[in-house]
This record gives sequence, C-alpha cells and structure tokens, in this order.
Amino acid sequence: GQNIDQPTEMTATEGAIVQINCTYQTSGFNGLFWYQQHAGEAPTFLSYNVLDGLEEKGRFSSFLSRSKGYSYLLLKELQMKDSASYLCAVRGNTDKLIFGTGTRLQVFP
Amino acid sequence: ETGVTQTPRHLVMGMTNKKSLKCEQHLGHNAMYWYKQSAKKPLELMFVYSLEERVENNSVPSRFSPECPNSSHLFLHLHTLQPEDSALYLCASSQDRSGAGGELFFGEGSRLTVL
Repeated sequence: GQNIDQPTEMTATEGAIVQINCTYQTSGFNGLFWYQQHAGEAPTFLSYNVLDGLEEKGRFSSFLSRSKGYSYLLLKELQMKDSASYLCAVRGNTDKLIFGTGTRLQVFP
Repeated sequence: ETGVTQTPRHLVMGMTNKKSLKCEQHLGHNAMYWYKQSAKKPLELMFVYSLEERVENNSVPSRFSPECPNSSHLFLHLHTLQPEDSALYLCASSQDRSGAGGELFFGEGSRLTVL
C-alpha cells in the first residue's frame, strides 16, 4: 500500500526552529512536495524535492533522503504567522500526488 | 490569491438537493483537479482533467459528477449526497499532469455540509 506519515500536531515558540518529519512508502517516487495551509485558506506550495539533499528557501528548508523514504521541513526564526498545517505529499509512479494527513503547527509567543 | 477561485465558499444542502460547486483558474493551466479534505484525513484525489478530458476518476460515487467545459472551468455537480460527504472540497490546477515539479495551485475550497 501507499502511506505518508507525519506527526499530527507540533508546538513551538516564536523565534525557535522546528523540524516537521515525513516518512513515505509509495509505488515509485517522482518527487516530494510540502504545502502550507492556514485555517480556512488554500494550501500553498512551499517546496519540491526530487533529489537527495537540502533545498533552502529563506527561513524554510526541505530535506530528502530517497533511500530512507524520509523528508523533513525545517522552519527557522519562527513567527506567529507560521502557525498553520503543513502537508507532505509524494508523487508516485502514476503521477498522482499522495498526501499525508498534515501536521498542525502552533507557534506561541 | 492563488489564481484559482471557488464558489460558493460555504454550502449547506439536504440529502435530496442538487447543487454544484464551481472552480475557475486564471493561470492558463491545462490540468484541473477536485480533492476532498475531511478532518484528520489526507487530501483525497477525486477527479483529474487534462485538456478538458477526464483522465482520473478515483472510485468516486456517482452522486458526484464532474464537468469540465473548458480548460479554465471545472464543476462538481452534487446529487443525493450523504452526511458523510460533508467536507472541504478543494479545486486545484497545474501546468500539466506530469511536468517537472508539477506544483498544484489550490483554491480556498468550498465547505459543504450535508444535513
């Protein structure tokens, strides 16, 4: 079967660093995506990894290890506006995106 | 503003009603999607259209009927729904089905409640 696992909820403090993990088991692999979704809003694209390693984009970085079926999203210098759900999604052999349940991050002052 | 607009944002309907959800994308994309988002569940892909042709029907009950009259518009027609169909229905578009990256652009969703 196909499965994407990520923690349901996380909390962190403003200014801190948080790492959201995602593990996956899919039929084939053609890339991993991270999306951010604020409550009541559309999911928005954050990052895309298809090769192993770290992709950095400002305060956000995403890492991929294909051999381990593992990715993480790293958020630095957390701000209150980073409170949202973070969705991990994998594109398998069929080009369909398979989503995890999402990680709800709450940032406290 | 993601370039994908969904209406209505909220819809309450009885099990015998017929209603439709509408999605419009202003990005010049060739592929459009319907997803269902329920609490504590992963996003579920329902339908995929590529160049106005349905290319994916993910075992969705026939009470959900999609329509794609052109590459900018997508509808989801609803008929005799069940209370368990209450969810957020998200429309998305992408440049094509399997281009490099293949990033999805989502609308803000239509929150459906079936009484």
